[in-house]
Amino acid sequence: QQKVQQSPESLIVPEGGMASLNCTSSDRNVDYFWWYRQHSGKSPKMLMSIFSNGEKEEGRFTVHLNKASLHTSLHIRDSQPSDSALYLCAASFGSSGNKLIFGIGTLLSVKP
Amino acid sequence: NAGVIQTPRHKVTGKGQEATLWCEPISGHSAVFWYRQTIVQGLEFLTYFRNQAPIDDSGMPKERFSAQMPNQSHSTLKIQSTQPQDSAVYLCASSLEGGQNTLYFGAGTRLSVL
Repeated sequence: QQKVQQSPESLIVPEGGMASLNCTSSDRNVDYFWWYRQHSGKSPKMLMSIFSNGEKEEGRFTVHLNKASLHTSLHIRDSQPSDSALYLCAASFGSSGNKLIFGIGTLLSVKP
Repeated sequence: NAGVIQTPRHKVTGKGQEATLWCEPISGHSAVFWYRQTIVQGLEFLTYFRNQAPIDDSGMPKERFSAQMPNQSHSTLKIQSTQPQDSAVYLCASSLEGGQNTLYFGAGTRLSVL
């Protein structure tokens, strides 16, 4: 049973378009959420983190968090082919320290 | 800073053989994690050390998997009697301790069990 669920499983957007990815925890004991990006054949790299309710923007990337609904979302505007990758949502829970539980990921393809 | 270093990058074993995977965390990082990644299961947590002490091994298959951290500069993951279902990419990560600190992953070891 996954504690972190992501949707959609895959997403195709045109170059210049907006990509929206979702992530929900099934465990109310969640502390923090992260978004990692993994290009094909590479290891995951942290993209953005969000620890409190609201919105955080970094360049073309915006992340939202609603702690009451245990939901976070990542939005990529003006998507580029180089954004094509596996996007992994991760969360830490309760007294687990900084051990992260990852979702299965959303595979994003940006078509020129 | 060379980042997290994992060796070997690829390992091929026969069914029933032993595999040992190595990880050198980022200098100064007190937390070390092992994960396993497959297409079907995604990125699964295996085990976690803090200041070389084992903290949480809840993801480790109990019978054939073991992990150690004999000093602050390296950790090993040993798989005895490897089975085809152990084939995966094994990723090591390190971080500063504390819930808001980022995990930095190594390049991984791709284990193939024939």
